[in-house]
This record gives sequence, structure tokens and C-alpha cells, in this order.
Amino acid sequence: AQTVTQSQPEMSVQEAETVTLSCTYDTSESDYYLFWYKQPPSRQMILVIRQEAYKQQNATENRFSVNFQKAAKSFSLKISDSQLGDAAMYFCAYRGSSGGSNYKLTFGKGTLLTVNP
Amino acid sequence: NAGVTQTPKFQVLKTGQSMTLQCAQDMNHEYMSWYRQDPGMGLRLIHYSVGAGITDQGEVPNGYNVSRSTTEDFPLRLLSAAPSQTSVYFCASSYSILLVSEAFFGQGTRLTVV
Repeated sequence: AQTVTQSQPEMSVQEAETVTLSCTYDTSESDYYLFWYKQPPSRQMILVIRQEAYKQQNATENRFSVNFQKAAKSFSLKISDSQLGDAAMYFCAYRGSSGGSNYKLTFGKGTLLTVNP
Repeated sequence: NAGVTQTPKFQVLKTGQSMTLQCAQDMNHEYMSWYRQDPGMGLRLIHYSVGAGITDQGEVPNGYNVSRSTTEDFPLRLLSAAPSQTSVYFCASSYSILLVSEAFFGQGTRLTVV
């Protein structure tokens, strides 16, 4: 079974600085998808960024980028120029591509990010 | 666009009571699912459906039933609520499990069983 590990329960960053959230995963599949979701206090789950494992290029969405290391099974999220609105719980998630693992997202336990003014 | 709508947003139940959490989406998505979120546990899949009339169990299905009579609706039923079912419940939908499509989440239902 696939597992997703977020080793940082909490992180803090100063406004305008950069922070990196860590995520590692375990899988025997060669093709899969990785996601970062943001959950602000409103509880809404918001997709931040996604990465297809077959793509070597790291995904980028404005101030959010990932460092995808397939061999190391690592998928970290970098937030540049942090803003107060970035404060939230961040979840790393995995989705397989076949064999039944494609029907669900496997989530890490989350990292609570605080942004200090 | 309404997206994924969950009702109610908050609910308190007594042990042994039954209730249904409603989930509706207006995006014509094939795939719908229910997750529960517990502190320090992330989100865990309860049940899912790949289309009308087709449902299957996720990793924590015990104590919950689902049905999918229409593409739009995917209700989650608690037949006899237990304190262990105190959680935040999320419904999610996506266009297809065959495509790398974004999962859209409802705003969640906070359920307390006393």
C-alpha cells in the first residue's frame, strides 16, 4: 500500500520569505500523480499544484513550485514570497495510475504553516 | 458554479442515531468519494463511486453506507452513530478516474457524536 509522510507537523515563515514543506512517499508503481492541497481555516480543500511522475520537469504555479525527486520518492513544496493568506494546513497527496490505486487519494497527515507579519 | 455542495455543515448526533450527509455536484463528474478527516490523520477514504449505480469501499468503510442513484448525488449514511465517527467529512468529485483531473472538494461537514 502506498504511504505518504509529512515529517513537519508545523512550520512558520516570515512574510515575504521562502519556506519549503517536505513530503516523502512510498510506492511500487512507476506511474502516479502527486498533489499539494491547501486547507485554510475555512476548511475548504484547495488544489495548489500537481505533478505527473512521468514528467521530469518540476511543476510551478506562480509562487508555488515543487522539487520532485522520483528516485528519492520526495515531493517538496516551495512557497516563495510568503503571504499572510498562505497560512493554512498543507496536505501532500498521492494517486496511483492503475490497479485500484487510481481511485483514491492517499494523504499525508499535513503540515500547519504559520505566516508571521 | 455551485461545484460540490455538502449539507449540513455542522451536526451533533447522539450515539445510536442515524443520519445522512448529503453531497451534490453539478459538474457532471463521474467519480465521487467520501473522506473523513481526523486530527493528525490526514484524510482517509470511506467510500467511492465511479458512476451511477456503482459504489465500492475505501479504507475505512465500517459504519457507513452509500448509494449513487444519480450522477449528481452521493449521500453518506450513518446507520447507528458512534463517538468514533466524530470527524470532519468531505465529499469530493472529479471528472474521471481515468484522467488526471482535479478533485473538487465540498466544504465539509463537522459531525460530533455524543
